[in-house]
Amino acid sequence: DIVMTQGVLPNPVPSGESASITCRSSKSLVYKDGKTYLNWFLQRPGQSPQLLTYWMSTRASGVSDRFSGSGSGTYFTLKISRVRAEDAGVYYCQQVREYPLTFGSGTKLEIK
Amino acid sequence: QVQLKESGPDLVQPSQTLSLTCTVSGFSLTSYGVSWVRQPPGKGLEWIAAISSGGSTYYNSVLKSRLSISRDTSKSQVFLKMNSLQTEDTAMYFCAGNWDYWGQGVMVTVSS
Repeated sequence: DIVMTQGVLPNPVPSGESASITCRSSKSLVYKDGKTYLNWFLQRPGQSPQLLTYWMSTRASGVSDRFSGSGSGTYFTLKISRVRAEDAGVYYCQQVREYPLTFGSGTKLEIK
Repeated sequence: QVQLKESGPDLVQPSQTLSLTCTVSGFSLTSYGVSWVRQPPGKGLEWIAAISSGGSTYYNSVLKSRLSISRDTSKSQVFLKMNSLQTEDTAMYFCAGNWDYWGQGVMVTVSS
C-alpha cells in the first residue's frame, strides 16, 4: 500500500498569515496520463470532509483561491493564504493513484 | 442537487455483521464511483472500500477478508457489509461520491 505521511503545523497560526501543510507519499502519484493523483480535504469539527483540491493542484468547485496545491510526484504542499477562522480543522491528503486508496494521518490547523 | 445518505444500525454486537446502505440522489451510480470511509472517535480517516462506475470493487488491504461492497443501480444504493465486528470497528462511517460529495455519516458502536 502507498503510505501517506503528513507534517505538523506550528499552531496556532495568526489570522491573516499563511500556512503550508506538507504530505509525502511512499510512491510516485503521477499516472501515465501525466496527472498527479493527490487529493486534499478539510474536515471541520463535527462535519464531513470537504474536497479542496484534486489532481494535486486543481481546486474543487466553490473552493477559495486562497487554497493552492503544489508538489512533485512524492512531495506535496497545500498552502493556505491569509488564513481565516473558518479554515480551522484537520487537513488530510489522500492518494487516489492506485487501490487500495490511502489517507494521511491528518494535520490540525488552529487559528489565533 | 447531489446528496448521499448513510443508514444502518447505531449499535452492533461484537462478532456480528454490520450492514450499511448509502442512498444517493442527483447522480447515477453508473457515472460516478462511491467509496466508504470510516473515522474512529478522535482519529483520522480510513478508506474502506469502493465500487466504481463500472461496478468493479476494491477493498482496504487489512479489512479485505471481512468486507463486501455491492450496489443496486435501480435504487441508487450502495451497500457495505463487514463481518466479525470488534470494538475497534466503532467509528463514524461515511459514503462519498467521486470525492466531491459526502454523506453526513452514521455512527456505529460495537458493544455488548
